[in-house]
Amino acid sequence: NAGVMQNPRHLVRRRGQEARLRCSPMKGHSHVYWYRQLPEEGLKFMVYLQKENIIDESGMPKERFSAEFPKEGPSILRIQQVVRGDSAAYFCASSPTFTAEAFFGQGTRLTVV
Amino acid sequence: QKEVEQDPGPLSVPEGAIVSLNCTYSNSAFQYFMWYRQYSRKGPELLMYTYSSGNKEDGRFTAQVDKSSKYISLFIRDSQPSDSATYLCAMKNGTASKLTFGTGTRLQVTL
Repeated sequence: NAGVMQNPRHLVRRRGQEARLRCSPMKGHSHVYWYRQLPEEGLKFMVYLQKENIIDESGMPKERFSAEFPKEGPSILRIQQVVRGDSAAYFCASSPTFTAEAFFGQGTRLTVV
Repeated sequence: QKEVEQDPGPLSVPEGAIVSLNCTYSNSAFQYFMWYRQYSRKGPELLMYTYSSGNKEDGRFTAQVDKSSKYISLFIRDSQPSDSATYLCAMKNGTASKLTFGTGTRLQVTL
């Protein structure tokens, strides 16, 4: 059973470009979470999705950030018009139910130049 | 005040020592408590998952939760150099979807 798969592992974007981060949850997991980790900081919750639904986006910046988890395919975190402050490691996690433990992917390291 | 406080370390111990890692929290609604291990430039790896107060043991790892004191601990027995990593505590309440993390404690186990 493969773990949570994230790609790309590293992504470099120029200021103003769009970044798309993909996450395939573990088999049998329908709950997906996105977290952001800045250097020397803990992980910060961004958004929680189930198939085709955003359940909780209380941690998402109001502008430029969006997330989706379509019926088919991976979950996507999209950052439009990236700025240098968006440089961070973005982690996806999945779980089979709301209260079960969450398993994390290896992350996507976004660098904005 | 942060919801979850964790000493950032670094904590340096000799091989074979018992390691104690701790977190305190302020939100009495937290019910689920987790410890993750994160190696440099890798994703967090779940070590322990506990519900409410009590102890849980898994191999060399023991997790303790004291809800009355809002204090959780992770003990590592017979520490190994391969245990050198950052340890993150995380917690959530029964209705929230998100995990609230501590900032992590960096552990170094020396030969």
